[in-house]
Amino acid sequence: EDQVTQSPEALRLQEGESSSLNCSYTVSGLRGLFWYRQDPGKGPEFLFTLYSAGEEKEKERLKATLTKKESFLHITAPKPEDSATYLCAVRASGGGADGLTFGKGTHLIIQP
Amino acid sequence: DAMVIQNPRYQVTQFGKPVTLSCSQTLNHNVMYWYQQKSSQAPKLLFHYYDKDFNNEADTPDNFQSRRPNTSFCFLDIRSPGLGDAAMYLCATSKGTQPQHFGDGTRLSIL
Repeated sequence: EDQVTQSPEALRLQEGESSSLNCSYTVSGLRGLFWYRQDPGKGPEFLFTLYSAGEEKEKERLKATLTKKESFLHITAPKPEDSATYLCAVRASGGGADGLTFGKGTHLIIQP
Repeated sequence: DAMVIQNPRYQVTQFGKPVTLSCSQTLNHNVMYWYQQKSSQAPKLLFHYYDKDFNNEADTPDNFQSRRPNTSFCFLDIRSPGLGDAAMYLCATSKGTQPQHFGDGTRLSIL
C-alpha cells in the first residue's frame, strides 16, 4: 500500500527564517511526486511535480527536491503570505491516470 | 479563466437524506476525480473517470456514487449520508497523467 508521511505536522517561523518540510514516501513504482499548497477553505493549488531522484524545481521562495525515499520543500526567506498547509502526494505505477495518495500536510505559519 | 467549479460551496443535509454535489470544468480535461477530505486529514480518493470509464477505489463505500454525463460535468451522489460523511469534498481534473487541478470544494454538514 502506498504511504506518504509529512513532517512536521505544524511549523511556525519568523518572517525571513528559512526552513524545510519533509515528505517521505513508500510506493510501488513512483510515477510522480507532487507538492500542493492549500489555503483554509480552498482546494489544493499545484506547485511542483518531480519524477526522478535528483530532480529539483524552483518557484519564487520555494524549492522542491527528490530522493528515492523522500522529498523536501525548502522555503527561503518566507513571507507571511507563504502561510498555508503544504501537501505532498504521490502517483504510483499502475497504468492510466490514477489518483494521488496524499500526506496529511504541514501547516506552516509565518509570523511578521 | 479556465477552472474547476464546485457547487454549492456549503451544503447542509439531514442524516439519511440523499445529497448531490456538482463539479464543472472549463479546462477540457479528460479525467475527473472526487476526493474526500476530513478536518486536518489527507484528501482521500473516492473514484475517478478516465473519459467515460469509471474507476472506483476499493475502499469507497457503496453509499457514494458518481455520474459524468459529459466531459464538463461530474456529480457525486451520497445516497444515505451518515454523520461520518461530513467532510470537504474536492473535485479535480487532469489531462491524462498531467498534474491535477482542484476546485475549492464543497463542505458538507450532516444534521
